[in-house]
Amino acid sequence: DIQMTQSPSTLSAYVGDRVTITCRASQSINRWLAWYQQKPGQAPKLLIYKVSSLESGVPSRFSGSGTGTEFTLTISSLQPDDFATYYCQQYNSYSTFGQGTKVEIK
Amino acid sequence: QVQLQESGPGLVKPSATLSLTCIVSGYSISSGYNWGWVRQPPGEGLEWIGSVYYNGDTYYNPSLESRVTISLDTSKNHFSVRLSSVTAADTAVYYCARGVEAYGIDAFEIWGQGTMVTVSS
Repeated sequence: DIQMTQSPSTLSAYVGDRVTITCRASQSINRWLAWYQQKPGQAPKLLIYKVSSLESGVPSRFSGSGTGTEFTLTISSLQPDDFATYYCQQYNSYSTFGQGTKVEIK
Repeated sequence: QVQLQESGPGLVKPSATLSLTCIVSGYSISSGYNWGWVRQPPGEGLEWIGSVYYNGDTYYNPSLESRVTISLDTSKNHFSVRLSSVTAADTAVYYCARGVEAYGIDAFEIWGQGTMVTVSS
């Protein structure tokens, strides 16, 4: 099974900060990596798929990069609506989610 | 506008079979895409349960494969999940979702609102 490890688990930041979340896979997943945002009581929302493809309607301050086993989600300027939990997902071999990164207000 | 809605009992007894249906509107499930199930125990992260491709091919989480069945019902335009021999560890919010592209296993673009299932006697 492919394990996905996100870091950090929790991140405290100010509005306007540039934020980066990392996701590492236990083996190569090529480009089959997605990122989601989830707010309390809501279903996850797809932000990015295939490493860097921005889902329709998602603000351009969200971007993804990486290859092989290490991937990043970057929020270029954190907005009040961005405080949430973020998950990565590999879908190269079956599918596995990371454990989540909670982005909190500093 | 494609919408997904989970349906099923909110309480299941230990050792019984959990059965949920995802009712799809705005798109014919036999036309394309991957249709999947994801669950989230209270206060925890997301777990992929499995997926069914529009042609009927199924893909299951290896850790659940011995207990799970996912199927399409194209006549009713819904798909379902059955999880047998449930325990308290299967208590979770269960989400159904649709893939974003045309792959058997995919990222999920459209999600249902989720339904809480509690396993308890």
